[in-house]
Amino acid sequence: NAGVTQTPKFQVLKTGQSMTLQCAQDMNHEYMSWYRQDPGMGLRLIHYSVGAGITDQGEVPNGYNVSRSTTEDFPLRLLSAAPSQTSVYFCASSSLEGGYTFGSGTRLTVV
Amino acid sequence: GNSVTQMEGPVTLSEEAFLTINCTYTATGYPSLFWYVQYPGEGLQLLLKATKADDKGSNKGFEATYRKETTSFHLEKGSVQVSDSAVYFCALSRLSGGSYIPTFGRGTSLIVHP
Repeated sequence: NAGVTQTPKFQVLKTGQSMTLQCAQDMNHEYMSWYRQDPGMGLRLIHYSVGAGITDQGEVPNGYNVSRSTTEDFPLRLLSAAPSQTSVYFCASSSLEGGYTFGSGTRLTVV
Repeated sequence: GNSVTQMEGPVTLSEEAFLTINCTYTATGYPSLFWYVQYPGEGLQLLLKATKADDKGSNKGFEATYRKETTSFHLEKGSVQVSDSAVYFCALSRLSGGSYIPTFGRGTSLIVHP
């Protein structure tokens, strides 16, 4: 069981660069979300999706884009990286009623 | 709106001590309640859940009871081990507007000494 797979695990970017964080799940879950985790801030929701073709903004969406062309994949794109986006990013998926399954995270540093 | 409040950590215990981590919530209707655990360098893992009032979720010696009258979902374990050292997150999830998005507490760090 692969569950939720995130790549890469670590990434260093220069300010202004763009990149895509990949997330894939093999559980046929409809709901997928992206969170960032910062010390003392807990988990903050960036974007989420309730199914293929449907996305919506969470608590901290600025500077990030998402798309959901398939049920399995939910990539997160950083448009122009800033030091404030240095964080650990988690992708998660869920079936209705169920708890979330999280990926192992991407640790991003923007210099 | 929905919110979850957890006791601040870190909670520091000796091995075999009794653990309680408090969690209270604010939500309209009847949310489902969850506890997640995050070990160092890893993502969150679902530990247990309860979907209606008076339900008790349990897993790996941990348990929590859904108390609607006190809007609480406190996590307990009778005898902690060093391997239980982790960060614990309380969360609620409620269907609203077609979305089933959880609200997380800020997490409580548990440190267990031998």
